[in-house]
Amino acid sequence: DVKVTQSSRYLVKRTGEKVFLECVQDMDHENMFWYRQDPGLGLRLIYFSYDVKMKEKGDIPEGYSVSREKKERFSLILESASTNQTSMYLCASSLTQGGGTEAFFGQGTRLTVV
Amino acid sequence: ILNVEQSPQSLHVQEGDSTNFTCSFPSSNFYALHWYRWETAKSPEALFVMTLNGDEKKKGRISATLNTKEGYSYLYIKGSQPEDSATYLCASHPADSWGKFQFGAGTQVVVTP
Repeated sequence: DVKVTQSSRYLVKRTGEKVFLECVQDMDHENMFWYRQDPGLGLRLIYFSYDVKMKEKGDIPEGYSVSREKKERFSLILESASTNQTSMYLCASSLTQGGGTEAFFGQGTRLTVV
Repeated sequence: ILNVEQSPQSLHVQEGDSTNFTCSFPSSNFYALHWYRWETAKSPEALFVMTLNGDEKKKGRISATLNTKEGYSYLYIKGSQPEDSATYLCASHPADSWGKFQFGAGTQVVVTP
């Protein structure tokens, strides 16, 4: 069974903290994505990566960075957490980056910044 | 502003009834349309990936159609069951921006026994 695993289901962090969200996939997929989901809005793309050490900004990259040192792992970093980054964060991976194959999602990390 | 619009935002269905809902997306520069089902406390799971105008796909009691010329897709659930309760997401992928899916806000379906 294919799997995308996010390191935490729930996180509570303080304003100004550096936060790491980890995502691991076991499908040997080239492409990995980080989204955030807020009520009334669709999933919004923060960053994606199409290869090790390669990354592309999504629609809302401000305040975030990413790291992909190994093919199976894609980390989202909140450099200095703020309350407006309280959200549900979803990681996904896909075989191709062109949209022709389905994405597999992790279970999500609900982050609260206080 | 969402380029991909889903309607209705939510709907309640009696068990056994059929229902359908819509995803609207930009028809220009289109490459693919995805449907996902997202059940509470679970990960979103892919239902369909559609690329061709006129595509129709089916998975059990759920089916989808695609009209790329006018920019819409319908998802149908036949004979709804309580286990169909979920949020259904659609996502459009443009032809020239690899990886840049645009998701709708979802249609939340509640099936009551």
